[in-house]
Amino acid sequence: DAGVIQSPRHEVTEMGQEVTLRCKPISGHNSLFWYRQTMMRGLELLIYFNNNVPIDDSGMPEDRFSAKMPNASFSTLKIQPSEPRDSAVYFCACRLAGDDEQFFGPGTRLTVL
Amino acid sequence: GENVEQHPSTLSVQEGDSAVIKCTYSDSASNYFPWYKQELGKGPQLIIDIRSNVGEKKDQRIAVTLNKTAKHFSLHITETQPEDSAVYFCAGGDDDKIIFGKGTRLHILP
Repeated sequence: DAGVIQSPRHEVTEMGQEVTLRCKPISGHNSLFWYRQTMMRGLELLIYFNNNVPIDDSGMPEDRFSAKMPNASFSTLKIQPSEPRDSAVYFCACRLAGDDEQFFGPGTRLTVL
Repeated sequence: GENVEQHPSTLSVQEGDSAVIKCTYSDSASNYFPWYKQELGKGPQLIIDIRSNVGEKKDQRIAVTLNKTAKHFSLHITETQPEDSAVYFCAGGDDDKIIFGKGTRLHILP
């Protein structure tokens, strides 16, 4: 298995533009997590899904952020409109039902100018 | 909700010496405490974890201790090696989600 796949790996955009981050979890893993990592705030949980259903989105900072999981093999995190303070590394992670370990992707480094 | 505090934020130890990282948590209902290691340019990776019904767990050079009464847990790395240089995160939570500490950057000095 290739592990968790995230795209793009790097994204540079201008303030006000829409940004879409993509994640393909490990096949068979039914929980999916989106995290944001910054120097100031560390690794923050934004939202997680079980069996494609959003369970807890209390970490989503604002209405500008939205996440979807249309099927078991794909999820998106969208920021519209983007702002410079959204600059961070965004990680997707997944977990197999009944297990504890979360497997992280390589992350997407987002820079909003 | 859960809040996890981690100290120190940066730690430098001589190669071969031991390193200790400490964390506290706030939610007494938390029952799962993993530790993740993040190398440069990569996502975090689980290195060891402990559940609340256990006080200590060891895996080769790595050990974790948990004090449920005091709500704190620690990571111990013995005989440190250059490849131990990384950022280490503690976390606390339950079967659904975990909340991470802010991380400790560990430098192993030659």
